[in-house]
Amino acid sequence: QKEVEQDPGPLSVPEGAIVSLNCTYSNSAFQYFMWYRQYSRKGPELLMYTYSSGNKEDGRFTAQVDKSSKYISLFIRDSQPSDSATYLCAMSSMDSNYQLIWGAGTKLIIKP
Amino acid sequence: DAGVIQSPRHEVTEMGQEVTLRCKPISGHDYLFWYRQTMMRGLELLIYFNNNVPIDDSGMPEDRFSAKMPNASFSTLKIQPSEPRDSAVYFCASSLSAEQSYGYTFGSGTRLTVV
Repeated sequence: QKEVEQDPGPLSVPEGAIVSLNCTYSNSAFQYFMWYRQYSRKGPELLMYTYSSGNKEDGRFTAQVDKSSKYISLFIRDSQPSDSATYLCAMSSMDSNYQLIWGAGTKLIIKP
Repeated sequence: DAGVIQSPRHEVTEMGQEVTLRCKPISGHDYLFWYRQTMMRGLELLIYFNNNVPIDDSGMPEDRFSAKMPNASFSTLKIQPSEPRDSAVYFCASSLSAEQSYGYTFGSGTRLTVV
């Protein structure tokens, strides 16, 4: 079993829909949770960062962390074709010397 | 700042040849990471440096892989000899701190094909 599980998709939704992307993990020591977005032929870029549990909102994006269920989510409201990309979750802990453990990435397609 | 700069963008080489990938991190970033990305295995950390010193190279797959960081503005990843299974996209990333809130800044990658 991988430390971080993420459905690779692809996930295809119509423009304007609410998108939910998820990751589950097994290591209860994880404290730092991130979502990276990767466009085709580009490197990943940090989209959202959350420490410990709770929600964080930034514009159309909301990140949620549920440590009791070992489950994190990224919601995208009013999705746009420009949101089409691969979304990777990543997490780390002080025990791992902060090194990131990555999910496989979910490919998201927003249809105009 | 131009971001993390990697060269070349694409490399096609024959099995057995030496390959050198190059990276210029963002000025002032103390951490530099080399990653490999494939469809099958996703993103894999190969090695990372802190203040030009290699800290963890446990992800380097074999002795055929080596990495150096002679100064704060330049790093290389070398594969010698190259094999078809080394075909992947290799990313360099840099970070201001180990603190994750800063995030990693990735380059655009080098797409390596070994035939």
